[in-house]
Amino acid sequence: SAVISQKPSRDICQRGTSLTIQCQVDSQVTMMFWYRQQPGQSLTLIATANQGSEATYESGFVIDKFPISRPNLTFSTLTVSNMSPEDSSIYLCSGTGGSSAETQYFGPGTRLLVL
Amino acid sequence: ELKVEQNPLFLSMQEGKNYTIYCNYSTTSDRLYWYRQDPGKSLESLFVLLSNGAVKQEGRLMASLDTKARLSTLHITAAVHDLSATYFCALEVGPSKLTFGTGTRLQVTL
Repeated sequence: SAVISQKPSRDICQRGTSLTIQCQVDSQVTMMFWYRQQPGQSLTLIATANQGSEATYESGFVIDKFPISRPNLTFSTLTVSNMSPEDSSIYLCSGTGGSSAETQYFGPGTRLLVL
Repeated sequence: ELKVEQNPLFLSMQEGKNYTIYCNYSTTSDRLYWYRQDPGKSLESLFVLLSNGAVKQEGRLMASLDTKARLSTLHITAAVHDLSATYFCALEVGPSKLTFGTGTRLQVTL
């Protein structure tokens, strides 16, 4: 199994600013992802964090708004840029070792409120 | 457009009763996950269903997968208050990429 931590756990930010969220996994994982969960909603995949290369974004998400880094197998960051109140959500990172029977583990999430 | 739909969206049930949550999806996949989320918490993995006909059980929860019908079920037996949470199914649609269902908020009353 993998234990995933995120920092910060929550933040309140002013519109127009940016916030970088860190995700650390306690063991090497093959794949890491970033999800968004808007208030009272389900989770939506933002992007796949690729080690050492540009992230792969899902429809509706762009690199300029959500730049992602993954310098090694256990660490990734997501930046929410030029924030607006619509960005208020929980942002979760996840990871999986990729074996056929393994589940995908989720971090505790970062609760972001944009004023 | 890929859809992963759960029903019901909200379920209030008494302790001791049985009920089933349904997860329907619109594309082929051989892997489906069930997660639990408590208020203000992250997701806890419950089950990974890997093939057609897969059935897994843990305590009062049992999950099954019918890939031909594109349907998964989460059955709750003799519910207890501690099972109150939101339950999500999630379909794997690419290499480990998950599309989540709408979620079912379960409230078990005493």
